[in-house]
Amino acid sequence: LAKTTQPISMDSYEGQEVNITCSHNNIATNDYITWYQQFPSQGPRFIIQGYKTKVTNEVASLFIPADRKSSTLSLPRVSLSDTAVYYCLFGAGSYQLTFGKGTKLSVIP
Amino acid sequence: DTEVTQTPKHLVMGMTNKKSLKCEQHMGHRAMYWYKQKAKKPPELMFVYSYEKLSINESVPSRFSPECPNSSLLNLHLHALQPEDSALYLCASSQAVSGTNEQFFGPGTRLTVL
Repeated sequence: LAKTTQPISMDSYEGQEVNITCSHNNIATNDYITWYQQFPSQGPRFIIQGYKTKVTNEVASLFIPADRKSSTLSLPRVSLSDTAVYYCLFGAGSYQLTFGKGTKLSVIP
Repeated sequence: DTEVTQTPKHLVMGMTNKKSLKCEQHMGHRAMYWYKQKAKKPPELMFVYSYEKLSINESVPSRFSPECPNSSLLNLHLHALQPEDSALYLCASSQAVSGTNEQFFGPGTRLTVL
């Protein structure tokens, strides 16, 4: 089974940039890396996906080094509403449906 | 419409009851999923439907019975559940069953088994 390792929790003050790193040592050549966000009592929500180097969208950036054994989700200038659990997943082909344990981000005013 | 809806939002049932969870999407997605999520744990995949056919069953007990009546609807029939089955049940959909396809999740049904 695809396996990821993330910090269990992180704290950040409002307005700071937050970087959450995920390790995925057994990633395969054709696997993509995806991040989801989940608020309490809601379903996860897609944030960003990438294969290599850097991907940026309106809410986050994803940095993937050349060996692709890790990835870093970067959230610029977090606010209280970014308090949530963040999951990284990887996979390709048929499906990538194995969630890691997730990182609980707490944003402090 | 980029929404997945689930009903009911909350469900309390006894161990001898039969109930059903419902999920609906109108995004034209051909893959639909059921997940189970216990408190403070990540979602765990239960079933995957692709083009209305069950393609993945992750060794889920037979007291959970999925059904996909058409491409927009997904049901989960529940019978003779145990208290440990109490959890948040999430439905999701995507364009196809692929690791590169974004999954859209519903808000879930909070199930309590007494």
